Amino acid sequence: GAVVSQHPSRVICKSGTSVKIECRSLDFQATTMFWYRQFPKQSLMLMATSNEGSKATYEQGVEKDKFLINHASLTLSTLTVTSAHPEDSSFYICSAFTGTYEQYFGPGTRLTVT
Amino acid sequence: AQSVSQHNHHVILSEAASLELGCNYSYGGTVNLFWYVQYPGQHLQLLLKYFSGDPLVKGIKGFEAEFIKSKFSFNLRKPSVQWSDTAEYFCAVNPTGGGNKLTFGTGTQLKVEL
Repeated sequence: GAVVSQHPSRVICKSGTSVKIECRSLDFQATTMFWYRQFPKQSLMLMATSNEGSKATYEQGVEKDKFLINHASLTLSTLTVTSAHPEDSSFYICSAFTGTYEQYFGPGTRLTVT
Repeated sequence: AQSVSQHNHHVILSEAASLELGCNYSYGGTVNLFWYVQYPGQHLQLLLKYFSGDPLVKGIKGFEAEFIKSKFSFNLRKPSVQWSDTAEYFCAVNPTGGGNKLTFGTGTQLKVEL
């Protein structure tokens, strides 16, 4: 089956620094990837849609200058949390769309900002 | 905007008991419906999906779901749960033509006791 990886799985950073999270589709090409944020005991909230070769589309209320998304190739999308603050601490999950109405999810990245 | 409701937040069952998890959505148009499962420490996996046709869909691991259009519901069922079904279950909706974006419910934490 389709496999999506994320790196790193966990990251701790200091307030004010930037963190980059990678999302890769390992055995298929994904023209579209999605980035979600999951708070403890809550659902996944879609942050943005990442399309290869074009600008990401952000959901309402998501700061595009804070959460920079780059989809440089058909197998890689990156999310950079810029000038991170403790309230950005969360579980970030990516998914890759295969073109058959199915999304395959990565294992997630736990970000802790101290 | 569409929303997805999962009324059961926590469910505890004994092995061999029957399971039904509720999912209702609010959207007036045609939708694609999904159930995802997240086992402890693992990434989201697709259990089953409904796009069109027979409203009773069968998924992996003995799960099934029934789409009742008049009730805007897509409840998940399993006749006899196993301890290994302990996980969090998410219902998700994608409006047809909605750019493949998924709106998730808040999730149901299922615990199956031996």
